[in-house]
Amino acid sequence: ETGVTQTPRHLVMGMTNKKSLKCEQHLGHNAMYWYKQSAKKPLELMFVYNFKEQTENNSVPSRFSPECPNSSHLFLHLHTLQPEDSALYLCASSQGGAQTSGREHEQFFGPGTRLTVL
Amino acid sequence: GEDVEQSLFLSVREGDSSVINCTYTDSSSTYLYWYKQEPGAGLQLLTYIFSNMDMKQDQRLTVLLNKKDKHLSLRIADTQTGDSAIYFCAERDSGSARQLTFGSGTQLTVLP
Repeated sequence: ETGVTQTPRHLVMGMTNKKSLKCEQHLGHNAMYWYKQSAKKPLELMFVYNFKEQTENNSVPSRFSPECPNSSHLFLHLHTLQPEDSALYLCASSQGGAQTSGREHEQFFGPGTRLTVL
Repeated sequence: GEDVEQSLFLSVREGDSSVINCTYTDSSSTYLYWYKQEPGAGLQLLTYIFSNMDMKQDQRLTVLLNKKDKHLSLRIADTQTGDSAIYFCAERDSGSARQLTFGSGTQLTVLP
């Protein structure tokens, strides 16, 4: 049990579908993240939320829409995706304020959602 | 921007030591990390080192940091088949408490 859960674990969708990925953390953290992991490429940070406020958006296309209703939950709404969006989408959380030191920055990852876009 | 590089593959025999290498470009890195990813799972933090240290040991794991050459390594002693996984190097710079820059990962295969 990593403390960070993601559902669904696998998702296959067509290019015209709308779906949502869900992440929940049970660790009392106040920052949450979405990453995209494609084969043989570095993890790409997509979004960062700190105390429910979005603090980073790394030039992610608008077909990906994040939502953070509270510090424990994070969603990624998907709409009109492309086949190249197929990847493993990882959620992570961490403790800490705006500037942290020590281990508060440690990010705990969920198992990911394997997304295939047909 | 920052860049973190790793070789993609490493194979070792069970019982031998594994050394996974990583280079990075950001001279303002404060913390450097090693994460492990097993098949079908997310990333798990193995160990980390603060940039003013040059070595850290934790049981079978030894991290070496050469800040001058911007080179980080992870040594796994007495490598076991359960160590087979993808290992990611990551760095955090002083400018952001949130953003980690990851390498592409090294696939470690432990042969019996």
